[in-house]
Amino acid sequence: QVQLQESGPGLVKPSQTLSLTCTVSGDSISSGIYYWSWIRQPAGKGLEWIGRIYTSGSTNYNPSLKSRVTILVDTSKNQFSLKLSSVTAADTAVYYCAREDSGWHNFDYWGQGTLVTVSS
Amino acid sequence: QSVLTQPPSASGAPGQRVTISCTGSSSNIGAGYDAHWYQQLPGTAPKVLIYGNNNRPSGVPDRFSGSKSGTSASLAITGLQAEDEADYYCQSYDSSLSGYVFGTGTKVTVV
Repeated sequence: QVQLQESGPGLVKPSQTLSLTCTVSGDSISSGIYYWSWIRQPAGKGLEWIGRIYTSGSTNYNPSLKSRVTILVDTSKNQFSLKLSSVTAADTAVYYCAREDSGWHNFDYWGQGTLVTVSS
Repeated sequence: QSVLTQPPSASGAPGQRVTISCTGSSSNIGAGYDAHWYQQLPGTAPKVLIYGNNNRPSGVPDRFSGSKSGTSASLAITGLQAEDEADYYCQSYDSSLSGYVFGTGTKVTVV
């Protein structure tokens, strides 16, 4: 069974960098079959796709966040990570990592999500 | 920046049929990109309900069905049950944004 688990600080100060890691089990990021994405959801609001990475390291980012986002992959640890710089209160949200089916382009497996609060 | 529009809410009595629309444009659903649907129960991560416009993953009841026409997609729930109370989101790819977009979300209430 494929499982994804987000980890990282739950509190980040304004102007600092948010860093999260997603650990994948039950599947190999190196398989080259899937993309691996980050998605966020502010409390009481909708879902926003942040970006994705392929096993090769190739990335695609949401244009609205592109200048602040970096997604990396560590195939040796079967993990991928998110860095979001210069955060503000508007970046407070539940952050999900998810697997994207490269054929249908839907997100078929999700992590449970982790709440990141931006506050001093 | 939701470019897929959904009604904020929908409701129905147990056993009834509810439909949710997802209105896009010529750069996403209307361009031929597939629509997918997710169910999000309170406090949990979204779960894929329909993929590729009208396909159900194994384990999803056949009470859920999807369709697509022109620049819109729809999710239908027949035989509504109390456990169907949740938020529902559509998702597609947008070529003008070069990325994935989600709908504004619809809260389904079983009255």
